[in-house]
Amino acid sequence: NAGVIQTPRHKVTGKGQEATLWCEPISGHSAVFWYRQTIVQGLEFLTYFRNQAPIDDSGMPKERFSAQMPNQSHSTLKIQSTQPQDSAVYLCASSSGTYYEQYFGPGTRLTVL
Amino acid sequence: AQKVTQTQTSISVMEKTTVTMDCVYETQDSSYFLFWYKQTASGEIVFLIRQDSYKKENATVGHYSLNFQKPKSSIGLIITATQIEDSAVYFCAMREVITGNTGKLIFGLGTTLQVQP
Repeated sequence: NAGVIQTPRHKVTGKGQEATLWCEPISGHSAVFWYRQTIVQGLEFLTYFRNQAPIDDSGMPKERFSAQMPNQSHSTLKIQSTQPQDSAVYLCASSSGTYYEQYFGPGTRLTVL
Repeated sequence: AQKVTQTQTSISVMEKTTVTMDCVYETQDSSYFLFWYKQTASGEIVFLIRQDSYKKENATVGHYSLNFQKPKSSIGLIITATQIEDSAVYFCAMREVITGNTGKLIFGLGTTLQVQP
């Protein structure tokens, strides 16, 4: 059984450019989460989908970050006008339900120059 | 306020010994879930074990077990018979059921475990 798949694994963008990160959750999992990991802030929640519907985006920087889940097999996180402070590892996780453990993908390391 | 605190930044132990990692949490909810994850040197985050707040019995999975002390808002991770490959960063996390019923995990900053041969 394949785990959570994230692409690309590494992405380098210039300041002001757009970055789109992809996540394929574990087949059959109804909940998808996005987190961001930095040395300073640690692991921070960004947003959550359940059965493809957005449930909680309280962790998303409002102006430049957006996330979608157009179908049950993938979710995207888009960052417009990337800034150096957006540099982080972006992690996608999925679970079989709200109250169950989350399984994490390998992450996408975003570097904004 | 929701908060998870891991006070031990790093721990070093000898192989085959037992180690305990501390974690305390803050929540207003009467029902919540607690998790421990491990992040390997490659960056992979692996789920280890879970404790439901309403359960009195400490969870055990393989050589991982928990010391759940609800009155102290404490959930320690115990690893017995440690192996070199247990060297990693260990994260404690909490998910609230009522107030924060969105499924999000709140993480501590992690404890780095180094197992020496």
